[in-house]
Amino acid sequence: EPEVTQTPSHQVTQMGQEVILRCVPISNHLYFYWYRQILGQKVEFLVSFYNNEISEKSEIFDDQFSVERPDGSNFTLKIRSTKLEDSAMYFCASTSGVDTQYFGPGTRLTVL
Amino acid sequence: GESVGLHLPTLSVQEGDNSIINCAYSNSASDYFIWYKQESGKGPQFIIDIRSNMDKRQGQRVTVLLNKTVKHLSLQIAATQPGDSAVYFCAEIRAGGTSYGKLTFGQGTILTVHP
Repeated sequence: EPEVTQTPSHQVTQMGQEVILRCVPISNHLYFYWYRQILGQKVEFLVSFYNNEISEKSEIFDDQFSVERPDGSNFTLKIRSTKLEDSAMYFCASTSGVDTQYFGPGTRLTVL
Repeated sequence: GESVGLHLPTLSVQEGDNSIINCAYSNSASDYFIWYKQESGKGPQFIIDIRSNMDKRQGQRVTVLLNKTVKHLSLQIAATQPGDSAVYFCAEIRAGGTSYGKLTFGQGTILTVHP
């Protein structure tokens, strides 16, 4: 069964450093998303991406965040200058548009 | 403000019992709802979905009920098993009911199944 994959599973970084979280969505999917989940809280929408551009973003997704689909398979989330409050689980999701959104296993980001 | 929320944060049941997890939503324009299961250290896993033109949908051991009058959603799990222990989230999509809109999640209910 096809699945969304994410790397790394855990990323530890110093405050102010840049991080790139990577995702490989399901191959025939067209819509891509990043969500985050702070420990013990609900999952929050960050950004959606379709046809090589952002289709919607939340207020969390400020100028420090960017997304890219550099090739036909990868979808990345970059945080330019990490803050302590960026520590969370980051989930990538994808959908064909007629099916539900499928989530990856997540990347745990720890900012020290 | 608009939100999706859950009535109970925790639910403990005995193996074999039926479980009911509830969710309230406030946006009457929401027209697509999904239940996700999240096990520790994993991403949300799709369980079942329902559109607003339906009031009930059944899957394998799971049933989702939608009451649009009171804006309430429930997930029923029949013959609950220890492997069902997880956090359960309801989520809604408001973008015209398409599955590619952003998901808005509720807080989650922790289901614990005792053998």
